[in-house]
Amino acid sequence: TQLLEQSPQFLSIQEGENLTVYCNSSSVFSSLQWYRQEPGEGPVLLVTVVTGGEVKKLKRLTFQFGDARKDSSLHITAAQPGDTGLYLCAGAQVTTDSWGKLQFGAGTQVVVTP
Amino acid sequence: DTAVSQTPKYLVTQMGNDKSIKCEQNLGHDTMYWYKQDSKKFLKIMFSYNNKELIINETVPNRFSPKSPDKAHLNLHINSLELGDSAVYFCASSQPLRRAEAFFGQGTRLTVV
Repeated sequence: TQLLEQSPQFLSIQEGENLTVYCNSSSVFSSLQWYRQEPGEGPVLLVTVVTGGEVKKLKRLTFQFGDARKDSSLHITAAQPGDTGLYLCAGAQVTTDSWGKLQFGAGTQVVVTP
Repeated sequence: DTAVSQTPKYLVTQMGNDKSIKCEQNLGHDTMYWYKQDSKKFLKIMFSYNNKELIINETVPNRFSPKSPDKAHLNLHINSLELGDSAVYFCASSQPLRRAEAFFGQGTRLTVV
């Protein structure tokens, strides 16, 4: 059973366009993270959100955490070819029971063409 | 200065063989993990070790045996490899009680033929 639903699965856009990736869950998470993975590499952490309603900006990337801490979105403004990659959301319970175990969404493959 | 490094990057082997993957982290984290990424890119946790002690075992077959000689190292030994074991295996580390942000190795692509 997949606890985190990511949408869309695949997104192909032209350079300069905007895009949004969604990550939804029925579970509450203490910490929700976004990673980007490129071919042949491991996932690389982009951002962590922990507070309901939190918004974080990383250059052209904007991350939101829902008020109920169950869902999140990633918005990229004026996408560039370098933004191409597999975007993964992951939720964690920061407790001694779960020990930081990450539950991942299925990922969104983003392709930005020049 | 690679934070989490795992070897080998590629592993091709025949069914029935035994193989090991090694992982080391220099981040000073207490907790290390093994994740498996399937052909659809879905990442699922297999094991977690905290300070050399097994904490999480996500119903992985007994053929998979992790071992942590110290908190900076976590190895994965796989016995009697099967075709279905083909996947990319990632080692990761984190401080789980501080936001649980994970740092991943480059992955080991295991192909069983």
